[in-house]
Amino acid sequence: EAQVTQNPRYLITVTGKKLTVTCSQNMNHEYMSWYRQDPGLGLRQIYYSMNVEVTDKGDVPEGYKVSRKEKRNFPLILESPSPNQTSLYFCASSLGTRAFFGQGTRLTVV
Amino acid sequence: SQQGEEDPQALSIQEGENATMNCSYKTSINNLQWYRQNSGRGLVHLILIRSNEREKHSGRLRVTLDTSKKSSSLLITASRAADTASYFCATVGEGGKLIFGQGTELSVKP
Repeated sequence: EAQVTQNPRYLITVTGKKLTVTCSQNMNHEYMSWYRQDPGLGLRQIYYSMNVEVTDKGDVPEGYKVSRKEKRNFPLILESPSPNQTSLYFCASSLGTRAFFGQGTRLTVV
Repeated sequence: SQQGEEDPQALSIQEGENATMNCSYKTSINNLQWYRQNSGRGLVHLILIRSNEREKHSGRLRVTLDTSKKSSSLLITASRAADTASYFCATVGEGGKLIFGQGTELSVKP
């Protein structure tokens, strides 16, 4: 079954404690991206990757890092999380234009 | 940046009625997509309409596109309680980035 898998689904952490949200897709898609979704602000792209070892900033990249060492994985790294990064995060992969989304990671930073 | 603007922001109807959601966008497009999001879950692709198409159907969904007005509409006929969700239009921006509208929150009451 074609899918994008994110982990964890829920995470509560403290300010400054580094964390990684994993994302994996089984469709051999070249394009992967991370979004955050906040009430009133909609979905905003954080980072994207057009292929292995090729990543670029989206609209709201500050405070985040990504890596793309393999085609299937695209982890999102928060080196020093802050409360304003409390949000619902989605990973997506696409071939052409149609995107497949993960189930989301609800992150709370206290 | 949010290219799509959706209208209405929220819509409440009775089961069996039709639901119409509208989307406007700003730049020229090759295609426009509609996605559905159940509360707090990942987005699911519903339908894609190309810029040279005016109307497209998929089951109870009907999408129209007016490139002269830079607008699209999504019609859900004979709505069901299970259609309760948020609906987003999306266009493709620079680098293949999906740009989402703010979404319409649809509530279908049984």
